[in-house]
Amino acid sequence: KAGVTQTPRYLIKTRGQQVTLSCSPISGHRSVSWYQQTPGQGLQFLFEYFSETQRNKGNFPGRFSGRQFSNSRSEMNVSTLELGDSALYLCASSSRLAGVGETQYFGPGTRLLVL
Amino acid sequence: LAKTTQPISMDSYEGQEVNITCSHNNIATNDYITWYQQFPSQGPRFIIQGYKTKVTNEVASLFIPADRKSSTLSLPRVSLSDTAVYYCLVGDIDAGNMLTFGGGTRLMVKP
Repeated sequence: KAGVTQTPRYLIKTRGQQVTLSCSPISGHRSVSWYQQTPGQGLQFLFEYFSETQRNKGNFPGRFSGRQFSNSRSEMNVSTLELGDSALYLCASSSRLAGVGETQYFGPGTRLLVL
Repeated sequence: LAKTTQPISMDSYEGQEVNITCSHNNIATNDYITWYQQFPSQGPRFIIQGYKTKVTNEVASLFIPADRKSSTLSLPRVSLSDTAVYYCLVGDIDAGNMLTFGGGTRLMVKP
């Protein structure tokens, strides 16, 4: 079974631009979560989608948005990029909503550099 | 959300057993304890998960005392490739799939 895939793997943008990152979950998984990882702040939760609906949202500004398609693939968009948005963006999928004993599987991440 | 506390870093040598303890004093009744491993520039990888007592798989063991306020990840006979950051997480069913990562424990295995 193929794992979680993320595209692109690396990206360089300039301040003020926008970017769209893509995540394909493991086949059959319906939940997709996004995380931002930086050396200073560690791994932080952005948002989670389940069956095309946003279920949870972390403490990030509105410039960060996402969506999920009917095939469970998800995209994350960051508008008006700032230098501080440079990070590794990770996507994780799971077969159902969390809770008891649910496991999430992470993709390799997209490394975004904002100049 | 249940908060976790782990040592920032640990050193070990090849072939030794490594035990990493995590404190989660306000763990809720329905919370599970999960450990992830992360190598540089890669996504975290699930290692083991448990609710109480002891869980063992091909990679590690997880020991959870009766009060569940802490847990210990045990890695038998570590190798250089086990050098990574290890995260302890406590699941909150009210938070959906939102994982709250702490700082993790940076394990350095030396030859």
